[in-house]
Amino acid sequence: GQNIDQPTEMTATEGAIVQINCTYQTSGFNGLFWYQQHAGEAPTFLSYNVLDGLEEKGRFSSFLSRSKGYSYLLLKELQMKDSASYLCAVRYVGNMLTFGGGTRLMVKP
Amino acid sequence: EAGVTQSPTHLIKTRGQQATLRCSPISGHTSVYWYQQALGLGLQFLLWYDEGEERNRGNFPPRFSGRQFPNYSSELNVNALELEDSALYLCASSDKGQGPQETQYFGPGTRLLVL
Repeated sequence: GQNIDQPTEMTATEGAIVQINCTYQTSGFNGLFWYQQHAGEAPTFLSYNVLDGLEEKGRFSSFLSRSKGYSYLLLKELQMKDSASYLCAVRYVGNMLTFGGGTRLMVKP
Repeated sequence: EAGVTQSPTHLIKTRGQQATLRCSPISGHTSVYWYQQALGLGLQFLLWYDEGEERNRGNFPPRFSGRQFPNYSSELNVNALELEDSALYLCASSDKGQGPQETQYFGPGTRLLVL
């Protein structure tokens, strides 16, 4: 199979920094996506990585290491509205996206 | 630019009935994907349509089927509904012209409840 592993839940404090990790099977890898999903809503696209390194978009950054089958999403200056599930998804050869189970982030005051 | 739209937003059926869910992709997108998200679980890939053809399907029984119309909108049909089919059904569309960065954009989903 093509398991995508990420922590089930995380808690962080408003204003802090949080890192959400994702590991995946490297065979056939063709790109990694992060999505944000608020409860009861559709996932919204956050970031895309296909080369090693860090991609920064405002308060959100995403990192990829292809050799290690590892990515993380970094959220800075946390706000209450960042409380959501964060989904790691990997595109494998054949164009299919495989999603992890999602990490539910709770931001506390 | 309008996003992906889905209808209906909610659907209540009883066991054994059939459900039809609809999706309109973003204008210019030719690929449509269907996912099932059961409560508290991750997204499970159901079907992929592109240019009117079924390109791939996930590990679901044949009673899950669909089609894509010439205007690239799509239908998901679920026959002989079972209680465990209760879930949020998400549709996503993408533009194959984006190449490697092809990104799926999701609609708001249809929440199906089977009683």
